[in-house]
Amino acid sequence: DADVTQTPRNRITKTGKRIMLECSQTKGHDRMYWYRQDPGLGLRLIYYSFDVKDINKGEISDGYSVSRQAQAKFSLSLESAIPNQTALYFCATSDGTGGGNEQFFGPGTRLTVL
Amino acid sequence: AQSVTQLDSQVPVFEEAPVELRCNYSSSVSVYLFWYVQYPNQGLQLLLKYLSGSTLVKGINGFEAEFNKSQTSFHLRKPSVHISDTAEYFCAVSHSGAGSYQLTFGKGTKLSVIP
Repeated sequence: DADVTQTPRNRITKTGKRIMLECSQTKGHDRMYWYRQDPGLGLRLIYYSFDVKDINKGEISDGYSVSRQAQAKFSLSLESAIPNQTALYFCATSDGTGGGNEQFFGPGTRLTVL
Repeated sequence: AQSVTQLDSQVPVFEEAPVELRCNYSSSVSVYLFWYVQYPNQGLQLLLKYLSGSTLVKGINGFEAEFNKSQTSFHLRKPSVHISDTAEYFCAVSHSGAGSYQLTFGKGTKLSVIP
């Protein structure tokens, strides 16, 4: 089984809808991250969490919110989706104890907002 | 603040030819450097990383990279590519100082291996 899983893998929704993307991990890591990937722009950090009680905004948090339900679960919500949020979304984890903050990625969720 | 520049957005290369994907970074503190690979319709997978020690780092699938502090570069190389190496490659940097949680990515280089 994969160490970092994301659901759903693909989602098509309409402008104005609320949508939640979920991430679970079995690596036992404290740190979790949400990124979005757009063609030609690489990966940009949306939110990150160092533990259940620690949530922080990343580079592009506007229009997004997150919830860290447990050490192993980190959800990303789009309160009112808009077309320019169409992107590939990745969840990642790291243990933060060494290794230069190497991060481990889930398979991604492809979100299309019509 | 740190940043990463991948100098080529697309690199076509013939099968069994050598390839170099270029990466330059900027940071005011000591850095850790990574190369990730993204195969079509998949997530990112770590190819190799430089944390300290030897500046030549060997990774999976025959790839290697060399950390050059004076040129602030971490170029990725493979002596002979295969069709299966077709993917997008991302260089990333983190550092040992405050804010070391952050992994800053380059914009990616798409490697296309031509039969």
